[in-house]
Amino acid sequence: GAVVSQHPSRVICKSGTSVKIECRSLDFQATTMFWYRQFPKQSLMLMATSNEGSKATYEQGVEKDKFLINHASLTLSTLTVTSAHPEDSSFYICSASRADNSPLHFGNGTRLTVT
Amino acid sequence: GNSVTQMEGPVTLSEEAFLTINCTYTATGYPSLFWYVQYPGEGLQLLLKATKADDKGSNKGFEATYRKETTSFHLEKGSVQVSDSAVYFCALSDRASYDKVIFGPGTSLSVIP
Repeated sequence: GAVVSQHPSRVICKSGTSVKIECRSLDFQATTMFWYRQFPKQSLMLMATSNEGSKATYEQGVEKDKFLINHASLTLSTLTVTSAHPEDSSFYICSASRADNSPLHFGNGTRLTVT
Repeated sequence: GNSVTQMEGPVTLSEEAFLTINCTYTATGYPSLFWYVQYPGEGLQLLLKATKADDKGSNKGFEATYRKETTSFHLEKGSVQVSDSAVYFCALSDRASYDKVIFGPGTSLSVIP
């Protein structure tokens, strides 16, 4: 079946550094990818919608200069957390949408810890 | 706007007990409804879905029926197993394309032997 791969699964970084998270669709072309953030014991909050070859659409309250999204190909989207701070520590999950209108496929998430 | 409400957890059940997790939604139009499951340390997996009123989604012994009159999509399973321990999210999308899914807060289920 369709698989979405997310890398890395865990990352620890120091405050002030930047971290890049990759989301790849392994056996299909993803017309749209979504980035979610999940705080402990809370639901997933949509951060942004990323379409290949165009600028991402950010949800209200999400800083686009802080969370840089690049969707350079139909199989890869990246989320870069710039100048990370401890409050950015969270679980980030991507999902991908196929052109055949099937339900979203989710990656396994990235646990980011900023010290 | 669209939203999803779920019963609060955590829910703890003994093995082979009956499970119900309530879910209600608010949406304009005719949303598609989903249940996703998240096992510890993993991403989300689609458990089941229903795209129109009175549809019943089912998978791995879990069932949920799309009730438009009560705007509900309650998840049920007749006999839970330890391996069902996970967080369950009710969700909707406001278009048939399944894009931009809105999630409920999640319900943590622990099944004890």
